[in-house]
Formats: sequence, structure tokens, C-alpha cells
Amino acid sequence: NAGVTQTPKFQVLKTGQSMTLQCAQDMNHEYMSWYRQDPGMGLRLIHYSVGAGITDQGEVPNGYNVSRSTTEDFPLRLLSAAPSQTSVYFCASSPVVGTGNYGYTFGSGTRLTVV
Amino acid sequence: ILNVEQSPQSLHVQEGDSTNFTCSFPSSNFYALHWYRWETAKSPEALFVMTLNGNEKKKGRISATLNTKEGYSYLYIKGSQPEDSATYLCATNTGNQFYFGTGTSLTVIP
Repeated sequence: NAGVTQTPKFQVLKTGQSMTLQCAQDMNHEYMSWYRQDPGMGLRLIHYSVGAGITDQGEVPNGYNVSRSTTEDFPLRLLSAAPSQTSVYFCASSPVVGTGNYGYTFGSGTRLTVV
Repeated sequence: ILNVEQSPQSLHVQEGDSTNFTCSFPSSNFYALHWYRWETAKSPEALFVMTLNGNEKKKGRISATLNTKEGYSYLYIKGSQPEDSATYLCATNTGNQFYFGTGTSLTVIP
């Protein structure tokens, strides 16, 4: 049981480039989400999904797109990278959210630097 | 957006000391309160999920309490060990969106 798998672990992009951060889970979790972690700011929600075909914006969605074509995969796309998107990105999943009765399982993170 | 606050920001204790931290959150429309342990170079791991006022949960030397009416939760570590050194995060949700505090960084000095 691999849990939540994120790739790549590290990435350097030039300003204006695009890329996709991959996230896959093998626990049949309905809920998946993307967070970014910046010094002094804690984890902030970018986008989330409550099931295949359903996505919604979180606290800081600008500059990012997501899709959820399958239960297992939830990729995060940076459309035109900016230095302000330099951060550590975490994917997290949960069986169900809503009432919050289940904790998150986190991926190992992607450290992204935009130069 | 929910304002989740944790205190203190950091803490250094001697091995064997007991310690506690606080998580404060809005008490209205409460759903759940989560505690996570986050070791350096790893991912956050769930410690406790609490949903009812007065909940107390325990895992080994670590325990947590919840007061939803006044909007706070305490995390206690009894007899701290060096392996307890980590950042401890709390989070609460409005429906489908979870909001995290900035964490309490604990260093246990051998």
C-alpha cells in the first residue's frame, strides 16, 4: 500500500514555464487536496476535490489548475510559473471530508523553485 | 477562511519534561479538530481527530483535549523524549476546506 505518491520531489522552473505536479493515491479516498507550505504561513489550501469530476478552489487558487478524471489521480498544473509560486507543495487525501471525521494522509511533498 | 492559531510558536524542553501546546479556532460551525505531527524532511502524520466537545484522546505519552464551546484544544506530551522533536500542527474545517495553524515547533534536549 503506497499511500499518497507525489512526483517529482524537486523541480526548478524558469519564470513563465508550465508544469504539472502529480499526485496519486491507492486508498480509494474520495477527497484529495493540494496545499502549499511557505515559511511562517502554515499549510494553505490551493484546490480540492470531493470525487472524480468534482473540483473546487481553496484559499490560494490563483495560478493553478486541477482536474480529477479518476479517483486515484489529482494533478496540479502551474500554467505560467512565477517566483511567488516557489514553495513546498503537498498533496493530501482523506476517505471523506465534510464532517472531518478522518485525518489526512499526506504525500512526501514537492519542493518547487521558480527562478 | 478560518483563523487557526497555535501557541507557543516554538518550545525547547529537557528530556523527561512534560509539556503542552494550545490550538485556538473559531467556535462557531465547528466540525472537527485535527492534530498532526510533522518531523523534519517528512510529511505530516495524523495524531488525533476530535469531533465532540470534551473529547480526550491518547496515544502513548501524547494526549489531546477539545473544548468546542470556547474554541481551543490542548496537546500534552508526558515525559518528552528526543524523538518527540517535531512540529505539531492543528487544523479545523468548514465542510470541505481544512485550515491549518502555523504549528508549534518542539525541540527536546537530551
